[in-house]
Amino acid sequence: DQQVKQNSPSLSVQEGRISILNCDYTNSMFDYFLWYKKYPAEGPTFLISISSIKDKNEDGRFTVFLNKSAKHLSLHIVPSQPGDSAVYFCAASSGTYKYIFGTGTRLKVLA
Amino acid sequence: KAGVTQTPRYLIKTRGQQVTLSCSPISGHRSVSWYQQTPGQGLQFLFEYFSETQRNKGNFPGRFSGRQFSNSRSEMNVSTLELGDSALYLCASRASPGTEAFFGQGTRLTVV
Repeated sequence: DQQVKQNSPSLSVQEGRISILNCDYTNSMFDYFLWYKKYPAEGPTFLISISSIKDKNEDGRFTVFLNKSAKHLSLHIVPSQPGDSAVYFCAASSGTYKYIFGTGTRLKVLA
Repeated sequence: KAGVTQTPRYLIKTRGQQVTLSCSPISGHRSVSWYQQTPGQGLQFLFEYFSETQRNKGNFPGRFSGRQFSNSRSEMNVSTLELGDSALYLCASRASPGTEAFFGQGTRLTVV
């Protein structure tokens, strides 16, 4: 039972354009969502999070949008840079100690 | 401020053996969680400890166990290793529930 889904395994974007990574979830009890970025052979790096009481959170080039009615969140990266090329994971939790991760989307930013 | 430290970084074991992985959290963080990453499976939650108590456990067999010490350092043990246990094992620490977790670089376990 995959409670957090990232349906696009990969995405390619031109440098300078917007990257949009999507994530869907099924558990309406989730109240905290996060995005992590991962390079090969390294641990995930925290990017940005959002609480369920908000619908948008912005940090520099990164913005996360949450649509609770659709159980959907997205990460926007503007402008995309070659250094953004990595695997991006979304994660969700319901006030407990457990994060549920999606399977990841590999972003490739083309120079 | 030092990050999350995992040791060893790489490990090769034989089927049937057991292995212990170690994780030192960020100073002041009392919560430590463990995840398994395999190709195509994302990060699968193993368990989480807070103040030396296991607070949550993922859907893994009993061969996977862990513990946390009074200094918040944590160890994960896998007994009777199987080929399918080959994976990147990641440890994360955080200050409290509902906050972001910070990950170590992981231990790459290969079972042959």
